[in-house]
Amino acid sequence: DVKVTQSSRYLVKRTGEKVFLECVQDMDHENMFWYRQDPGLGLRLIYFSYDVKMKEKGDIPEGYSVSREKKERFSLILESASTNQTSMYLCASRQVSGGYHGELFFGEGSRLTVL
Amino acid sequence: AQSVSQHNHHVILSEAASLELGCNYSYGGTVNLFWYVQYPGQHLQLLLKYFSGDPLVKGIKGFEAEFIKSKFSFNLRKPSVQWSDTAEYFCAVFLRTGANNLFFGTGTRLTVIP
Repeated sequence: DVKVTQSSRYLVKRTGEKVFLECVQDMDHENMFWYRQDPGLGLRLIYFSYDVKMKEKGDIPEGYSVSREKKERFSLILESASTNQTSMYLCASRQVSGGYHGELFFGEGSRLTVL
Repeated sequence: AQSVSQHNHHVILSEAASLELGCNYSYGGTVNLFWYVQYPGQHLQLLLKYFSGDPLVKGIKGFEAEFIKSKFSFNLRKPSVQWSDTAEYFCAVFLRTGANNLFFGTGTRLTVIP
């Protein structure tokens, strides 16, 4: 089974703090994603990485950055956390092979509260 | 802009009732279609997917969905729901024109009353 592991299930941070959310997948998937999930808004894409050191902005990249130095690991960084970044953050990965794009596999989520 | 619409935000059913959750998308090209489910406190997991072939797709736990290309729809169905189906359901559409054209609906919360 594919496993996508997010390092922290729950975090509480203060406004202005730097926040790192880590995600590791164990199936050698090329693509990795960071979403945030808010009630009534569904899943909104923050950043997407199609391969190591490659990244693309999603729909709501402002206030976030990402890092993908190794294929299995995709980190989301909040340089200076703000209260409107309180949310559930979901990491996902996907296999891509010869034009085939598989389904997304999700981690359990990291619930971030910014005070 | 491409979009995925789930018109039902919250559905409440009694056990054994039949379920149909709507999903419509706005893209006219070739698509892959997905339904994901998120049980309370758990991660999103795949219920079923459509890539090609038979437009009636069967998934886990007795769910099925029908792709109707002319209606741009991929509605999720289950003939008889159980209390354990209480969850949030998300429709997703992948546009086969680029690497990152994956769009999610806003989700439908299903509450099944015992």
